[in-house]
Amino acid sequence: DTAVSQTPKYLVTQMGNDKSIKCEQNLGHDTMYWYKQDSKKFLKIMFSYNNKELIINETVPNRFSPKSPDKAHLNLHINSLELGDSAVYFCASSQDIPGGHQPQHFGDGTRLSIL
Amino acid sequence: DAKTTQPTSMDCAEGRAANLPCNHSTISGNEYVYWYRQIHSQGPQYIIHGLKNNETNEMASLIITEDRKSSTLILPHATLRDTAVYYCIVRGRSNTGNQFYFGTGTSLTVIP
Repeated sequence: DTAVSQTPKYLVTQMGNDKSIKCEQNLGHDTMYWYKQDSKKFLKIMFSYNNKELIINETVPNRFSPKSPDKAHLNLHINSLELGDSAVYFCASSQDIPGGHQPQHFGDGTRLSIL
Repeated sequence: DAKTTQPTSMDCAEGRAANLPCNHSTISGNEYVYWYRQIHSQGPQYIIHGLKNNETNEMASLIITEDRKSSTLILPHATLRDTAVYYCIVRGRSNTGNQFYFGTGTSLTVIP
């Protein structure tokens, strides 16, 4: 029944490693997002895809690469992990395009810790 | 960055209505009011949103004042499962609508 599911929930790894976070939504939404949450409870958008097409790419290091095999999936691959990448990453989906007023539905987050 | 003000915490007796206020005095004409809640270790859960009319769904009601400077989220019959942090967020149709500032929210405790 989970609407937006992301795995893994916890990810502990060492600096320099490459890791992926997966996200799937079963809401039939056309748009998916990746957000990074900093310690101030501020979710900042990283990427957004609409029908598998990249439409938002904020100022994010190119070590972060999203991939959308279909509109129900948006995965996030991170190369050469750095200490500053430690954060909670949220996947979300919505019915309309970014900036529209339809609400976004979030996954439970992936807590990434870099040792 | 905060565009909303909420009380830090509230208590509510189980079975009673929980009324959570939010001030957003600087809201602009194209900005919507959204309510989300978050239970520890889970992601933000969408509750309801509105522009200027009152809204109701299966979870809650949203009352927005005529001047749109404040709103109230109403959980009509609070249960223990409604214990969570509730966030009032203002977002518009713009690039800034691509960000969420959750702030500190209101920690609601439903008491048996």
